[in-house]
Amino acid sequence: GENVEQHPSTLSVQEGDSAVIKCTYSDSASNYFPWYKQELGKGPQLIIDIRSNVGEKKDQRIAVTLNKTAKHFSLHITETQPEDSAVYFCAARPDNYGQNFVFGPGTRLSVLP
Amino acid sequence: ETGVTQSPTHLIKTRGQQVTLRCSSQSGHNTVSWYQQALGQGPQFIFQYYREEENGRGNFPPRFSGLQFPNYSSELNVNALELDDSALYLCASSIPGGYTGDTQYFGPGTRLTVL
Repeated sequence: GENVEQHPSTLSVQEGDSAVIKCTYSDSASNYFPWYKQELGKGPQLIIDIRSNVGEKKDQRIAVTLNKTAKHFSLHITETQPEDSAVYFCAARPDNYGQNFVFGPGTRLSVLP
Repeated sequence: ETGVTQSPTHLIKTRGQQVTLRCSSQSGHNTVSWYQQALGQGPQFIFQYYREEENGRGNFPPRFSGLQFPNYSSELNVNALELDDSALYLCASSIPGGYTGDTQYFGPGTRLTVL
């Protein structure tokens, strides 16, 4: 089955710097890759997603890149702000019946003012 | 904030008891997925319901069961609770198919503590 790894597990950056979180997946049939942000005491919130037929997608300060050959995808946050501090999860959806996602273990991002 | 709601917010049970968690999906969404999130880990897929039928199941034992109702709301039932069942239980709703069919929107979760 699908396995998703995520690095780093913790990341601290200064306000205004960029943050990059990387994920790898094992199932070459996976075709959809969302990123979620989870704040303390809340459920995961979708921040950006990418499909296997696209190499890059950007939404304001957030971008995601996908390398299908290497089976890895990355989240890029530019001009970080203290409110970006949270746990970020990547996920992959195996191309099977049913829409379950396989999540990475998460990255705790701290943006220092 | 998504339109997905869950109840209760918190729950404390003892080993061996049974629990029912509830989820109301976002308006227009006919698919509900349930996930278990242990402390410090990513969510793990339990099962999914589509039009009142189970539509995929993760690696969880049969004492985890569910229902989906005609209004697309859903319940997660766990029998014979074990200490390791302590976790945040998340439900996510979606509409299968089409360009946006993959997107799952999560509720705030139910924190279950088993003593």
